[in-house]
Amino acid sequence: DIQVTQSPSSLSASVGDRVTITCRASQIITRSLNWYQQKPRQAPKLVIAVASSLQSGVPSRFSGSGSGTDFTLTISNLQPEDFAIYYCQQSYSIPWTFGQGTKVEMK
Amino acid sequence: QVQLQESGPGLVKASETLSLTCSVSGSYVSSGSYYWSWVRQPPGKGLEWIGYVYYSGSTNYNPSLTSRVTISLDTSRNEFSLKLSSVTTADTAVYYCARILEDYYYGSGDYFKYFDYWGQGTLVTVSS
Repeated sequence: DIQVTQSPSSLSASVGDRVTITCRASQIITRSLNWYQQKPRQAPKLVIAVASSLQSGVPSRFSGSGSGTDFTLTISNLQPEDFAIYYCQQSYSIPWTFGQGTKVEMK
Repeated sequence: QVQLQESGPGLVKASETLSLTCSVSGSYVSSGSYYWSWVRQPPGKGLEWIGYVYYSGSTNYNPSLTSRVTISLDTSRNEFSLKLSSVTTADTAVYYCARILEDYYYGSGDYFKYFDYWGQGTLVTVSS
């Protein structure tokens, strides 16, 4: 199985901050890496697909980058509605796997 | 507007079979553009992919569950379902159904898949 490891597991930030979350795959997955946002008692929501493709309706302060094994999700100018858990997920090979999640908390 | 809605018993006894249905609106399970999937999340934990089914009926399952899981389509009802047999308390989780979009990127000539729509989730508790 391909392992995807996120870091950090949690972070504290303030409104207006720039936040960066990384995801490392245990083997090359080209650009088959997606990012989801999950708020309490809600389903995950797709934020970034295929490493860097911002989904329709998602604010432009979200961006993704990377290929191969190393990927990054960046939130610039953090807003109150951005406090959530973020998961990366690889769809390169079966079984698809998720990172353990990064909780973005208010400082 | 695409919507997915899970339904099924919220309580299942250990050793029995968990059965859930996902009703789809705004999209068709018979479309070749999508795959249909189940993902689960134990309380307070992360996400685990269970498997998916294609419009043709072909399936792919997580090897950790493959001996116990069946995902199938009902095109007449525009639904798909999950059956997980011989459940234990470790199967207690929120179960989500989700649509998978397969996207073609001309730049690389590759296909990529991702979950683009999710149901709200349903908690299934396995009692011992």
